[in-house]
Amino acid sequence: SQQGEEDPQALSIQEGENATMNCSYKTSINNLQWYRQNSGRGLVHLILIRSNEREKHSGRLRVTLDTSKKSSSLLITASRAADTASYFCAPVGSQGNLIFGKGTKLSVKP
Amino acid sequence: KAGVTQTPRYLIKTRGQQVTLSCSPISGHRSVSWYQQTPGQGLQFLFEYFSETQRNKGNFPGRFSGRQFSNSRSEMNVSTLELGDSALYLCASSLGQGLLMAGELFFGEGSRLTVL
Repeated sequence: SQQGEEDPQALSIQEGENATMNCSYKTSINNLQWYRQNSGRGLVHLILIRSNEREKHSGRLRVTLDTSKKSSSLLITASRAADTASYFCAPVGSQGNLIFGKGTKLSVKP
Repeated sequence: KAGVTQTPRYLIKTRGQQVTLSCSPISGHRSVSWYQQTPGQGLQFLFEYFSETQRNKGNFPGRFSGRQFSNSRSEMNVSTLELGDSALYLCASSLGQGLLMAGELFFGEGSRLTVL
């Protein structure tokens, strides 16, 4: 299965600090996506990185992908209290359906 | 452009009953996927529909079923409810299917089911 596994499970930081979350997966992928979920709400797509890309930026987000290590990381710079949420990675394999991990719960304290 | 709409947002059922949840995708989206989210198991993939056909299915018992209509709206049904079925059920839509679906998923706000 291409389910992603996020690490750490929980992360608590102060506003202004950077937050780094990691994702590992087991099989080859077409692309890998990151999503955010505020408590009890639906998921929101953050960024998609294709298997032939190594790094991608979107605003304060930076995603890296290392297909040789089957891992990805999501960096949120200059975090804000509003970034408090759960973050999920979803490696997308040959079948195309997204299998999510259990997520990283990020808490940003003002 | 309206987002993904799920109804009802909240519902309470008792064990043994059945429930039907509805999902209206973004206009023009032909693929609908369903996920179950619980604190213990996280987000689990239920099934995916494209052009009224189930294309992928997760590892859930036959009590969980779904369908998609010609207008791409989808319903999922859970029969003979068990306490463990209490969860947030999320629906997501996208333009394509399979690797074509490998783009962004747009999620609804979910239907929170409580089974007593």
